[in-house]
Amino acid sequence: DADVTQTPRNRITKTGKRIMLECSQTKGHDRMYWYRQDPGLGLQLIYYSFDVKDINKGEISDGYSVSRQAQAKFSLSLESAIPNQTALYFCATRDDYGYTFGSGTRLTVV
Amino acid sequence: QKEVEQNSGPLSVPEGAIASLNCTYSDRVSQSFFWYRQYSGKSPELIMSIYSNGDKEDGRFTAQLNKASQYVSLLIRDSQPSDSATYLCAVNRPGAGGTSYGKLTFGQGTILTVHP
Repeated sequence: DADVTQTPRNRITKTGKRIMLECSQTKGHDRMYWYRQDPGLGLQLIYYSFDVKDINKGEISDGYSVSRQAQAKFSLSLESAIPNQTALYFCATRDDYGYTFGSGTRLTVV
Repeated sequence: QKEVEQNSGPLSVPEGAIASLNCTYSDRVSQSFFWYRQYSGKSPELIMSIYSNGDKEDGRFTAQLNKASQYVSLLIRDSQPSDSATYLCAVNRPGAGGTSYGKLTFGQGTILTVHP
């Protein structure tokens, strides 16, 4: 099993719909992150969490919310999806040696 | 000024050559530096990390850090077609209270193509 698992892998949704992207990890790390990747823009931080009770906004948090249900689970929600949220979304955990990324969720908002 | 800047490329090198990837960062308090490789549609994978000035070698990869110049680079020796990917530079700033677990900021990535 992968250390960091994201579901779904691909999703097409309509404008205005609420959607949740899920992330779970088996590494036992406290720190978890959600990034968004657009072509030519690298990875942009949406939200990050240092433990269950510590949630922080990243660079581009508008239009997104998160929930840290347990140490191992960190979900990202789009309350009302819009087309410019079409992107590749990555969840990651980290330890002293670096980040481990999930396989990504490709989200398309039509 | 972007926090982390890379030449977007594409950088094209022949097989067997040395590929040189460059990255500059704006925040002088940055502590740790990472190079990730990302194949199209896949997640980034860590290939090198560097924390101190100088060179760090791992197989065909060498990371170079110059904190005075706020510059970090990655050299790939004996480049192979399988090295063709996007290379992401990432910089970590200290967290609150000086902890090491600050935010990781990525450059936009450099596309590398190694042609046979």
